[in-house]
Amino acid sequence: DSGVTQTPKHLITATGQRVTLRCSPRSGDLSVYWYQQSLDQGLQFLIQYYNGEERAKGNILERFSAQQFPDLHSELNLSSLELGDSALYFCASSEGRLSYNEQFFGPGTRLTVL
Amino acid sequence: GESVGLHLPTLSVQEGDNSIINCAYSNSASDYFIWYKQESGKGPQFIIDIRSNMDKRQGQRVTVLLNKTVKHLSLQIAATQPGDSAVYFCAERDPGGFKTIFGAGTRLFVKA
Repeated sequence: DSGVTQTPKHLITATGQRVTLRCSPRSGDLSVYWYQQSLDQGLQFLIQYYNGEERAKGNILERFSAQQFPDLHSELNLSSLELGDSALYFCASSEGRLSYNEQFFGPGTRLTVL
Repeated sequence: GESVGLHLPTLSVQEGDNSIINCAYSNSASDYFIWYKQESGKGPQFIIDIRSNMDKRQGQRVTVLLNKTVKHLSLQIAATQPGDSAVYFCAERDPGGFKTIFGAGTRLFVKA
């Protein structure tokens, strides 16, 4: 158990809908990272937050957004969902703001868009 | 558990043998590299890391080798066990330290 929790574990929704994925980092970790893992794209870095502020952006679509709250939990919002958004979404956390710090991954949320 | 990539390169080894998993990275300016293990239904788990000022680092039963000349990483697992069966990813961190770029992954099967 990495200490990172993600909810829900599974999510099934329809195209055009909006969903919110939630992540609670390990106790004491200030950075939260979001990744998308699909069969044809592998693991793709989406975005990082450090202590409530956005630190780095990767291949995140404009339809997706994220935030980190004062209690350090984070939410990833996916809107206008398309079939291609079906994937595993992982959250990771680390102690510091640089990704040289070891990242601990949660168990993931499997999103299925029908 | 869920499948992680149906079209991954696959390495099949006999229990007790040594395994070598290879990875080519993309950015010659990357200065930090990590190997992750992902078991079915779980998130990636850190195995070992290496900075670009080193060419070898050893952990418990694992060794990472870095060849910057050809932008190549390898992960060696000694005395491979059934519990080592998983998908292994190499990852590089961009020089700014903010982004992690993952390789495609290699599926390791350990035959008992």
